This record gives sequence, structure tokens and C-alpha cells, in this order.
Amino acid sequence: AQSVTQPDIHITVSEGASLELRCNYSYGATPYLFWYVQSPGQGLQLLLKYFSGDTLVQGIKGFEAEFKRSQSSFNLRKPSVHWSDAAEYFCAVGDRQYGNKLVFGAGTILRVKS
Amino acid sequence: DTAVSQTPKYLVTQMGNDKSIKCEQNLGHDTMYWYKQDSKKFLKIMFSYNNKELIINETVPNRFSPKSPDKAHLNLHINSLELGDSAVYFCASRSLSTEAFFGQGTRLTVV
Repeated sequence: AQSVTQPDIHITVSEGASLELRCNYSYGATPYLFWYVQSPGQGLQLLLKYFSGDTLVQGIKGFEAEFKRSQSSFNLRKPSVHWSDAAEYFCAVGDRQYGNKLVFGAGTILRVKS
Repeated sequence: DTAVSQTPKYLVTQMGNDKSIKCEQNLGHDTMYWYKQDSKKFLKIMFSYNNKELIINETVPNRFSPKSPDKAHLNLHINSLELGDSAVYFCASRSLSTEAFFGQGTRLTVV
């Protein structure tokens, strides 16, 4: 069964600093990979996704993520964090098979200090 | 035009009551989900339907019964509500080659 690990529960960065959120997955083959963001009291918004092809994917709001098959990782990065990026970030792995199972990690709360 | 809409947004009810949450998607997706987000913000999949057929049922108490009248709708009925059912419930839809689109959530509070 697929699973997702986000090892960092909380991360605090200074505004303007770079950011990396870690995500490791377990899946029998190459999965579909996603990063979502959730602001307080809101639903989930897709930041970016990986299905195939270039392993470095660009998303909205200046985010990017790199799929590394050898490390079973899909880490999210941003070169310069803005105060409005403070939110909770979820990594998810999607099944390519019939059934479309989509499993989420436990989330990482990002705090931005000015 | 809201892609995935769920109603109601807030639901406060007493223990023991029966309640339903409705979800509709206008994206033409084949698969719909219900997720439960608890107080620690963990998103746990409850059910998945593909073209009205139940695909995933993740050890959810049988007080929870999903119903999919057509592939654009997936409703969640909960019998005999308990305090531990308090959470935010998210509906989502997806096709095999797309990301999941989420509704805005239903905050259920059982008192």
C-alpha cells in the first residue's frame, strides 16, 4: 500500500529565506505526486504535480519540486518565502491503477517570521 | 462556477442524530472521494467511488454510508453521530490523469 512521510511537523523560516519541505513516499512503481497547500479554515489548493517527464516541476506561487526516484522523494522548494506562504503543506501520492487511491502525508506547518 | 461543491459548510448537531453531507462535481471526473480531517489536520481517506462503484472503504464505521446516485454526486450519510465524528469532511474528485479537486469542506461539530 502506498504511504507518504513528511518528517517535519513544523518549519519556521524568515521572510526572504529559502524553503525546502521534505516528502518521502512508498509505492510499488512510479506514482503520481502532488503538493497541496491549506490555509487556515480553507480547502486544499494544488501547488504542483508530477505525472511523468521532467523530474523538476514548477508550480504556482513560485514553488517547485523535484522527483528523485532513487530516494523516493518529492521535496518542495521555494527560493524566497513570503509571509503569505504561511500555511500547512501536504504531499500526496496517487495511484496510477484503477481505484485512483490518493494518500496524503501528515502535513508540514510553515511559519514565516518577519 | 465551483468545480466541487459540498453542502453544508457548517453542521452542528447533537450526539445520536443522523445527518448527511452532499457533494457535487461538474468536472466530468470518474472518481470521487470523502476525506476526514481531524483536529491534528491529518487527511484520512474514507471512501472512493469510481463511476458510482465503491472502490475504497478504509475501515470506516458502518455508521458512515456513502451514496453515489450518479458519477457527479457522492453524498455521505452518518447515523448515530458521536463526539469523535467531529472533524472537517472534504469531498474531492479526480480522473486518473489529473490531480484531485477539493471542495471547501464541511465542518461537523457534534455536541
